[in-house]
Amino acid sequence: EAQVTQNPRYLITVTGKKLTVTCSQNMNHEYMSWYRQDPGLGLRQIYYSMNVEVTDKGDVPEGYKVSRKEKRNFPLILESPSPNQTSLYFCASSPGIGTSPLHFGNGTRLTVT
Amino acid sequence: QKEVEQDPGPLSVPEGAIVSLNCTYSNSAFQYFMWYRQYSRKGPELLMYTYSSGNKEDGRFTAQVDKSSKYISLFIRDSQPSDSATYLCAMSVGTEMRFGAGTRLTVKP
Repeated sequence: EAQVTQNPRYLITVTGKKLTVTCSQNMNHEYMSWYRQDPGLGLRQIYYSMNVEVTDKGDVPEGYKVSRKEKRNFPLILESPSPNQTSLYFCASSPGIGTSPLHFGNGTRLTVT
Repeated sequence: QKEVEQDPGPLSVPEGAIVSLNCTYSNSAFQYFMWYRQYSRKGPELLMYTYSSGNKEDGRFTAQVDKSSKYISLFIRDSQPSDSATYLCAMSVGTEMRFGAGTRLTVKP
């Protein structure tokens, strides 16, 4: 089954404790992206990757890191999480941005206390 | 002013009603227009995908794009309780994609 898989689904952590949210897709998509979803603000892009070893900032990159060492994986790293990063996070992939729609994972709900 | 405006609702309709969901946008360069449906505790899933102005129909769903007015709509005919979800509009050009905040729809039996 074609899918984008995120783990974990739920995560509660404390301020400053490094964490990684994994994302993997099995559709051989070149484009991958991370979004956060907050009430009233919709989906906002954090980082995106056009291909292996190619990443770029989205609209809200502060406090986040990503890497794209393999085509299928695109982990999101929070080196020192803060409470304002409490949010619902989605990973998405696409054959190519702009001309193809996104396929989303089922989300990771992160709470930072 | 947000680049994409979408009424968050909530919108509640009886089963069988026609539902109209709308978004306005400010960037006239957008070329691709999408509607996503998001069920509770799930990721958004693509519902409709259109390029430029015009109408597109898929079963009970019709997407309309009016680029001259910078206005897009999604119509749901004969709405069903299973249509209860949050609907997100989205639009893109090049590497830029923007989403509306979503409209929460409830269809009551």
